[in-house]
Amino acid sequence: GQNIDQPTEMTATEGAIVQINCTYQTSGFNGLFWYQQHAGEAPTFLSYNVLDGLEEKGRFSSFLSRSKGYSYLLLKELQMKDSASYLCAVRDRGDSNYQLIWGAGTKLIIKP
Amino acid sequence: NAGVTQTPKFQVLKTGQSMTLQCAQDMNHEYMSWYRQDPGMGLRLIHYSVGAGITDQGEVPNGYNVSRSTTEDFPLRLLSAAPSQTSVYFCASSFRQLDPILEQYFGPGTRLTVT
Repeated sequence: GQNIDQPTEMTATEGAIVQINCTYQTSGFNGLFWYQQHAGEAPTFLSYNVLDGLEEKGRFSSFLSRSKGYSYLLLKELQMKDSASYLCAVRDRGDSNYQLIWGAGTKLIIKP
Repeated sequence: NAGVTQTPKFQVLKTGQSMTLQCAQDMNHEYMSWYRQDPGMGLRLIHYSVGAGITDQGEVPNGYNVSRSTTEDFPLRLLSAAPSQTSVYFCASSFRQLDPILEQYFGPGTRLTVT
């Protein structure tokens, strides 16, 4: 079957580094996405990985290991505005090209 | 550009009532979609459209209708609301024509409660 697991909630300190993990099970992997969603707001696109390795975008990096069904989102130099939910989503090659399997999200709380 | 806009922001319906959630974008995006987001669950795709006059079902289409008469607008109709349709509804669009899922822009959402 298809499944995505991510921790429900994490807490980190301003200025620190945090890693949010996402594990997935699909019959045919075809890309993994990370979105950020502030409370009461719309999700916004952060990153896309389809090949193994690390993709860096400023303070945010996303890593993918297809053999392990595993990804993480790394946030450096945490700021209070990074308090949000982080959504992991996977596209399965067997599904419609327009459909993603979404995780329930990880709520990240940043403390001063 | 206003981006993706959705109206209303909040709505309370009684069971059996019908209503239309509005979604519009002014970015000339061909691809538009509707999702629902429920607590403790991931986003789920309801319907999507790859251009004016073309719509298709997503993962959870039952109880919802859509149409796409213009590039700008993609309304979602609830024909007979049920409490199970209490949710936050997001509309999204994408400028990418070959693979629109690669980068979607979401509207601010409509919070719907069905009593």
